[in-house]
Formats: sequence, structure tokens, C-alpha cells
Amino acid sequence: GAVVSQHPSWVICKSGTSVKIECRSLDFQATTMFWYRQFPKQSLMLMATSNEGSKATYEQGVEKDKFLINHASLTLSTLTVTSAHPEDSSFYICSARFISGRSLDTDTQYFGPGTRLTVL
Amino acid sequence: GNSVTQMEGPVTLSEEAFLTINCTYTATGYPSLFWYVQYPGEGLQLLLKATKADDKGSNKGFEATYRKETTSFHLEKGSVQVSDSAVYFCALSPGSQGNLIFGKGTKLSVKP
Repeated sequence: GAVVSQHPSWVICKSGTSVKIECRSLDFQATTMFWYRQFPKQSLMLMATSNEGSKATYEQGVEKDKFLINHASLTLSTLTVTSAHPEDSSFYICSARFISGRSLDTDTQYFGPGTRLTVL
Repeated sequence: GNSVTQMEGPVTLSEEAFLTINCTYTATGYPSLFWYVQYPGEGLQLLLKATKADDKGSNKGFEATYRKETTSFHLEKGSVQVSDSAVYFCALSPGSQGNLIFGKGTKLSVKP
């Protein structure tokens, strides 16, 4: 199956600092990558949709200047939480949607294992 | 708008019991429907999917049928195992963009 990795798996930072989270599709090229946020005991909430080479599309209520997304290649998207505050502490999950060239399902998102962010 | 409602958990069952997790949806058009599973400490994995009405998705003994008339996609398994303990998410994809809208998740615990 398809493999999506995230790095780091967990990070603790001080309030006011910026944190970058990487999402990589390891064995396929992704047309689109998605960033989600998951609060404890709650569902995943879509933050933004990222297409390679173009600006990300943010969901309503998500600050694009705070959550910077860069999708520089077909295998890498990054989420930078700028000037992080304790309320940004959460579980951030990325997923990738397959492009073509392998026997993968183009209608399916493949998820990374998530990154636990704790802002002190 | 688009939304997914699934039964609240947690659900605790004994091994070999029958499992049903209800999921209903609201959507415009003809969405694809999914069940994802999140095992402890791991990322979400696709369990099964259905892309049109009356399709049945199945995997690892789990089944769900896309019921347009009742806007439902209930997850079932005839005999659960301890290894099925996880959080199960129902989701829909409303269009070609591929974005997913998730239910809140149902935690399943299976006791030996």
C-alpha cells in the first residue's frame, strides 16, 4: 500500500516560536495533500488543501498567515505553525491523494501517522 | 451542507460479538463514502469504501452498504476480535476535490 510519513512525530515548543511539520508521500506522487487537525476525542477537521505548485486553499476559520502551507513537489508538503500559542496544541495529520502510475486508488486519501504539537 | 453523523462511543463488546456502528450523512450530489480505522498509536487507514448507491464495501470481515434512500453507511462485522479495538471514522467525499468530511469517530473496545 501507499506510505505517507510525517516528521516530526511529536514536538514541544515555547509559545511564540514557529514549528514546521513535513508530510511526504514515500512511494507515490500526490496531486493533492490535505492537512487536518484533530482535537482529543474529536473528529478530524480539514484545515487546508494543498496542490503542488499552487497556493493552498484554506477552510473557513483557518488563518492562512498562521498556518503556512508549502507544497513544493509532488512528494512533499510542509505546514508551518507560526508564532505558536498553547491553543495551537493539537494533533496535526496530513494525507495525500494519489496521482497515477501505480495500482493505487485515485479516490482514496492515504494518511500520515500524525504529529503531536504541544506549545508551552 | 455536507456532514456525517455516527453513533457515539465508546462501544465495548466481547470477542465474537456482532458489531454495528451507525453512520448517516447529509450531502449534495453523489458523494463517495468511506470507513477509516485508527489503531492505537497509528495513523488512519482506509478500511472500506463505496462510491455509488447500493455498493457494498468490504474488508477484513467488515462490511458497509451505501444506502441512498436512508442516507446511511452503517459498518458491520459478524464476529469481532480483540485486534479490532480501534477508533472507526465514517467519512464522505463530496466531489472531485477529494476532501473528506469526517464523523466524530467511534471507539471500539473488544474484550477477550
